[in-house]
Amino acid sequence: SQQGEEDPQALSIQEGENATMNCSYKTSINNLQWYRQNSGRGLVHLILIRSNEREKHSGRLRVTLDTSKKSSSLLITASRAADTASYFCATERDFGNEKLTFGTGTRLTIIP
Amino acid sequence: DAMVIQNPRYQVTQFGKPVTLSCSQTLNHNVMYWYQQKSSQAPKLLFHYYDKDFNNEADTPDNFQSRRPNTSFCFLDIRSPGLGDAAMYLCATSLAGGETQYFGPGTRLLVL
Repeated sequence: SQQGEEDPQALSIQEGENATMNCSYKTSINNLQWYRQNSGRGLVHLILIRSNEREKHSGRLRVTLDTSKKSSSLLITASRAADTASYFCATERDFGNEKLTFGTGTRLTIIP
Repeated sequence: DAMVIQNPRYQVTQFGKPVTLSCSQTLNHNVMYWYQQKSSQAPKLLFHYYDKDFNNEADTPDNFQSRRPNTSFCFLDIRSPGLGDAAMYLCATSLAGGETQYFGPGTRLLVL
């Protein structure tokens, strides 16, 4: 089963609105990362948040982590058409695990 | 610019005909990964190298093999491609296990 599952699977919003995506996971983690993937391309790293952190910001991105609920959220503020992509969360289960387990992804569409 | 390069971007092969996909990196990262991604799905880790140490995922078919002759290059060999192996193959690197991964643009494999 997937370590990470994103919710919703697909999201369509108007340009300028905020987009929120959620990720839930099953086991304890060392860190959680968010990636973006444009259609037919590789993944691009957005933010890494460690298990002892609760919130991180990067430009228009805000990530929260609640380890008690085993969940994270990615907020994109003031969305733009260029934000249209799939967004994946990925978790490192144990320190030094060397690998990430990716969630199922959220397909975000920004309507101009 | 430091980057992860995958060649070719598109590969067409015939059912049962061996094919090799290549990945190179200029980041001098210790860890290199190969993922398989099918349409609208999460990337699925096939195997990874930490330096020269090879780590195979338990559910990676024997049909898939990998070589890492040096720090910069890593190859994915599919010995007898089947129709079900048609997918995007993504190479990624990280400085240390579990940290940010840097992805190449991917190779889309078509099996006829």
